[in-house]
Amino acid sequence: NAGVTQTPKFQVLKTGQSMTLQCAQDMNHEYMSWYRQDPGMGLRLIHYSVGAGITDQGEVPNGYNVSRSTTEDFPLRLLSAAPSQTSVYFCASREGGHTGELFFGEGSRLTVL
Amino acid sequence: SQQGEEDPQALSIQEGENATMNCSYKTSINNLQWYRQNSGRGLVHLILIRSNEREKHSGRLRVTLDTSKKSSSLLITASRAADTASYFCATSATDSWGKLQFGAGTQVVVTP
Repeated sequence: NAGVTQTPKFQVLKTGQSMTLQCAQDMNHEYMSWYRQDPGMGLRLIHYSVGAGITDQGEVPNGYNVSRSTTEDFPLRLLSAAPSQTSVYFCASREGGHTGELFFGEGSRLTVL
Repeated sequence: SQQGEEDPQALSIQEGENATMNCSYKTSINNLQWYRQNSGRGLVHLILIRSNEREKHSGRLRVTLDTSKKSSSLLITASRAADTASYFCATSATDSWGKLQFGAGTQVVVTP
């Protein structure tokens, strides 16, 4: 099993550009989520999904869109990149239900100039 | 806002010593989890302790939970250089439907 796969690993954007960070998991997990990690701030939840067709906002959703058309995939879209979105982004998944350990991808490092 | 706050922010020890880090949180929780992150990598789950548990062990890891003080501690015994990493606590609040909130982490450096 590959687990949680994120692409790309690195990306540089100019302000105003849009892009999609891809996330795929092969563990048949119902729950998927996106976090961003900034120095000294831990991980902050952007969006999450409890199953195909269902998404909801986390702590810092502004400037990001998500969709969940399949169980496996949970892409994160930056609509109009801003320097404040420079960060490391992590996708994570777990089995359904209210609790349980998260399985993380290796991260996507995004720089917005 | 962060639910969990780790203390200390950084810890430097020698191989063979024990490493202890603490986590405080603000609201009622279903469970508390600890994760490790090696430099440039994703987070890896270490241990989960439920709100009705007080202590849990996994190998060289010992986690305690005091819900009356809203705090947890992670002890790594007989540290190795390979334990060098950042350690994060994450809480699943009772009113958050399984969303995990992470603290800022403790950076641990173990020197040979």
